[in-house]
Amino acid sequence: SQQGEEDPQALSIQEGENATMNCSYKTSINNLQWYRQNSGRGLVHLILIRSNEREKHSGRLRVTLDTSKKSSSLLITASRAADTASYFCATAPSGYSTLTFGKGTMLLVSP
Amino acid sequence: GAVVSQHPSRVICKSGTSVKIECRSLDFQATTMFWYRQFPKQSLMLMATSNEGSKATYEQGVEKDKFLINHASLTLSTLTVTSAHPEDSSFYICSARKVGQTNYGYTFGSGTRLTVV
Repeated sequence: SQQGEEDPQALSIQEGENATMNCSYKTSINNLQWYRQNSGRGLVHLILIRSNEREKHSGRLRVTLDTSKKSSSLLITASRAADTASYFCATAPSGYSTLTFGKGTMLLVSP
Repeated sequence: GAVVSQHPSRVICKSGTSVKIECRSLDFQATTMFWYRQFPKQSLMLMATSNEGSKATYEQGVEKDKFLINHASLTLSTLTVTSAHPEDSSFYICSARKVGQTNYGYTFGSGTRLTVV
């Protein structure tokens, strides 16, 4: 079943701007992951944040996690046209369990 | 890194025929692989968990006799769509995770676009 809910469903920005996507979930988690999917392709893992972490950075990516609100955000700074893709959050209730994906945010970065 | 290879990337088949999709972990062993289905502009829906050497675990609503999963080795899982119908047309994606890497994400194949005509 779908647990994560991303918003916005679609986001259109200009190159150089920042893009923020949010994800909410319903059950307890061990970790939350963000993935990127280019059209018609598989998913690429971007970043994993554990339930005891509040913020994590990776290059131009910044992820926050608020377990009290059961929400996470993904910030892409200084966006580029190549960042155009769909972004999904996925939750795992335990370290070895299956992932449950959110509905995704389609990001369009215009040159 | 961990690489998962999925073949074919695209397949068109006639109604009533069967199609096999392969998912291979190229540089690591995967006791567990996962099969997802994705409709256009929608999220991934887990179909089943493939376990090496044992029966797959199917999600509720997924017909195990229609979507046959075989995980005969630590590097290969196959999904066979039997007696395919147009409504089976979709994007199928497999994923796997290297054993022991609990703090890393899952590695996904590049997906298979199945079109049943």
